[in-house]
Amino acid sequence: DIVMTQSPLSLPVTLGQPASISCRSSQSLVHSDGNTYLNWFQLRPGQSPRRLIYKVSNRDSGVPDRFSGSGSGTDFTLKISRVEAEDVGVYYCMQGTNWHPLTFGGGTKVEIK
Amino acid sequence: QLQLQESGPGLVKPSETLSLNCSVSGGSISSSTYYWAWIRQPPGKGLEWIGSIDYSGSTYYNPSLKSRVTISVDTSKKKFSLKLSSVTATDTAVYYCARQGMDVWGQGTTVTVSS
Repeated sequence: DIVMTQSPLSLPVTLGQPASISCRSSQSLVHSDGNTYLNWFQLRPGQSPRRLIYKVSNRDSGVPDRFSGSGSGTDFTLKISRVEAEDVGVYYCMQGTNWHPLTFGGGTKVEIK
Repeated sequence: QLQLQESGPGLVKPSETLSLNCSVSGGSISSSTYYWAWIRQPPGKGLEWIGSIDYSGSTYYNPSLKSRVTISVDTSKKKFSLKLSSVTATDTAVYYCARQGMDVWGQGTTVTVSS
């Protein structure tokens, strides 16, 4: 299995300040087709997961541009340029390169200080 | 706009089989482009992929659950289904269905395993 390791576990942030979440994979996520299938999700209390970023750095429709994804190989980052109150929740990375099995990171809880 | 909706019993007894359906609306389940997935989140824990299926019935399962999981598809009814056998309390979770790219999710359904 590809193990996805997120840090930190918890991220207290002041409103308007930036936030950064790290996700590392135990193997390279570069697929044989040349793509890197690394997604980021936001899970707010009482809601379904929402995909924010796909293939490392592509923002989904409707996702504010304060969210950005970067990285390559085994090391990836989700950044929020200026945290807003609505950004509170748990963020997960997920690899879709190897389906045996698909795996998620353990989650990072973003909260307001 | 594609929408997914989970349905099924909210309470299952230990050792029995958990059965859930996911209805697909606003789009085609028969597209060869997509697989359809089941994911769960136990209370206080993270997300776990259970398995996926395409319109032809081709499946991928999480090895940790493979011996107990069956995912099927009924394109005529525009739904895909999950069966998880021999459940225990550790199978208590919110169960989600999603399109494989994980860009579209159902609202989730809570399943509790208890006698």
